Amino acid sequence: QSVLTQPSSVSAAPGQKVTISCSGSNSNIGNNYVAWYQQVPGTAPKLLVYDTNKRPSGIPDRFSGSKSGTSATLDITGLQTGDEADYYCGTWDSSLSAGVFGGGTKLTVL
Amino acid sequence: QITLKESGPTLVKPTQTLTLTCTVSGFSLSSSGVGVGWIRQPPGKALEWLAIIYWHDDKRYNTSLKDRLTITRDASKAQVVLTLTDLDPVDTATYFCAHKGSYTFFFDYWGQGHRVIVSS
Repeated sequence: QSVLTQPSSVSAAPGQKVTISCSGSNSNIGNNYVAWYQQVPGTAPKLLVYDTNKRPSGIPDRFSGSKSGTSATLDITGLQTGDEADYYCGTWDSSLSAGVFGGGTKLTVL
Repeated sequence: QITLKESGPTLVKPTQTLTLTCTVSGFSLSSSGVGVGWIRQPPGKALEWLAIIYWHDDKRYNTSLKDRLTITRDASKAQVVLTLTDLDPVDTATYFCAHKGSYTFFFDYWGQGHRVIVSS
């Protein structure tokens, strides 16, 4: 059971927008930055968003992150078939003094 | 260019101790604010944060596994070592090491991962 809660799967058609949620608590999302990672099965996770809403160089602006209270959100617009992957949110938990990840969300581009 | 690479045994027996090494390049383990963490992923399951060691040798552990985990570093060898004791088949997973940048809160570079199977 992950500390952060994500939907197990989301899907949308090419060109559409999808939103992936990540729910936590005051000890993690509520008071810390959130990161999002993209993982194609069989490969290492790739940083997609950091500090809740910033993108590393090379990540298109189709990917955007935000936070409200104890929940974070990853929006992906203009969906492409190449976006099919698993997406994980991650942050620090101040009560646990440890990092935590969500359970992951599988994105299917129909 | 920052790179990390995990190494260690692929097959270990239950009750044994697993020792994994993360060899890094492109940065110093002693650079202020830097950290290296370990994350694992059982087959078909989610990422699980295990441990992190910082530039000043401070360490943090997954509270559920704290009694079984130890993380150390050797800056001169550019290596971070993770040990996990009393292995069980549920510890079967791909183990990743990852770089945490100076005073940041995320992993920006990841190793390719190392698959470990726990079986008698």
